[in-house]
Amino acid sequence: DSGVTQTPKHLITATGQRVTLRCSPRSGDLSVYWYQQSLDQGLQFLIQYYNGEERAKGNILERFSAQQFPDLHSELNLSSLELGDSALYFCASRGGGGLSTDTQYFGPGTRLTVL
Amino acid sequence: AQTVTQSQPEMSVQEAETVTLSCTYDTSESDYYLFWYKQPPSRQMILVIRQEAYKQQNATENRFSVNFQKAAKSFSLKISDSQLGDAAMYFCAYRSPAFNDMRFGAGTRLTVKP
Repeated sequence: DSGVTQTPKHLITATGQRVTLRCSPRSGDLSVYWYQQSLDQGLQFLIQYYNGEERAKGNILERFSAQQFPDLHSELNLSSLELGDSALYFCASRGGGGLSTDTQYFGPGTRLTVL
Repeated sequence: AQTVTQSQPEMSVQEAETVTLSCTYDTSESDYYLFWYKQPPSRQMILVIRQEAYKQQNATENRFSVNFQKAAKSFSLKISDSQLGDAAMYFCAYRSPAFNDMRFGAGTRLTVKP
């Protein structure tokens, strides 16, 4: 158990809909990262937040957005869903600084299926 | 941009034997971090081992060790005494201190034969 939690575990929805994925980082971790893993592919970085502020953006579509709240949990919002958005979405958290806190710890993921 | 290449889509090993998974990366930075993550059928991403580029000594975690060749930009993972539970996808990853994302390779699927 990494200490990172994600809800829901599974999500099935229809094209055109909007969903929200939730992530709670490990206790004390300030950074939250979101990744997308399509079937049998590697992980693609989407976006990072640090202590409530956006820090880095990767290949995140304009239809997707995220935020990190004062209690440090984060939400990834996916709208106008398309079939190609079906994937496993991971959240990872990392500590506030220092070499020993450089490792990202991953949550169990949310599997999104768009029908 | 940093890229990570895993040239072996699939590997297999006999139980109790040793296997080495390859990873190369492209970077112009001198300081960075390298990781191996394991993804079993449960799809959970599990950290296996990490290496700081400034350290010359290769990292070791029980049956897992790396061969870090900085000049060659190579970071291979050796699994000794392979067990059935080692069967998984293995991802090599690179992280730059200057950027906040982590770059992953495409993965190597490891099969362990009893």
